[in-house]
Amino acid sequence: EPEVTQTPSHQVTQMGQEVILRCVPISNHLYFYWYRQILGQKVEFLVSFYNNEISEKSEIFDDQFSVERPDGSNFTLKIRSTKLEDSAMYFCASGALRWLATGELFFGEGSRLTVL
Amino acid sequence: ELKVEQNPLFLSMQEGKNYTIYCNYSTTSDRLYWYRQDPGKSLESLFVLLSNGAVKQEGRLMASLDTKARLSTLHITAAVHDLSATYFCAALAGNEKLTFGTGTRLTIIP
Repeated sequence: EPEVTQTPSHQVTQMGQEVILRCVPISNHLYFYWYRQILGQKVEFLVSFYNNEISEKSEIFDDQFSVERPDGSNFTLKIRSTKLEDSAMYFCASGALRWLATGELFFGEGSRLTVL
Repeated sequence: ELKVEQNPLFLSMQEGKNYTIYCNYSTTSDRLYWYRQDPGKSLESLFVLLSNGAVKQEGRLMASLDTKARLSTLHITAAVHDLSATYFCAALAGNEKLTFGTGTRLTIIP
């Protein structure tokens, strides 16, 4: 069964460092999302990406964050200068063209980011 | 802005008992999702409810959707320890993104 894969599974970084989290969505999917979950809290929307551009972003997704599809398959989330409060689990999700009708959105296993 | 609330936030119940988790959302939503999350793990899709009156069942879990009341329920029948997890509902509004509820941490006591 196809799945969304994320790397790294866990990254520890120093405050102020740049971090890139990578996601390989399911092949042929067109909708991509990043969500984050601070430990013990709810899952929060960060950004959605469709047709090779950002379609919506949340207030959390400030200038320190960026997303790219560098090679047409991977989908990356970059945090330019990490802060302590960026420590969270980051989930990537992808959906096919008709996911809004079928309801099928697939989540990756997540990347845990710890900022010291 | 769509807001999604769940209650209770924490639920401790004995094995064999029945209980219901409630999910209210603030504006019209086209879809309602239920996810399970084990500690430190990803989100496992349980149910996708696509229309008013939709009811889906899988094992001891049953989910329903009332779009007029903006309410979804997740009913647990004869709980077993394996069902201990955090359960999230999420609603989809017209902007093509999921908005998650606060989560319900369920603990099943033998």
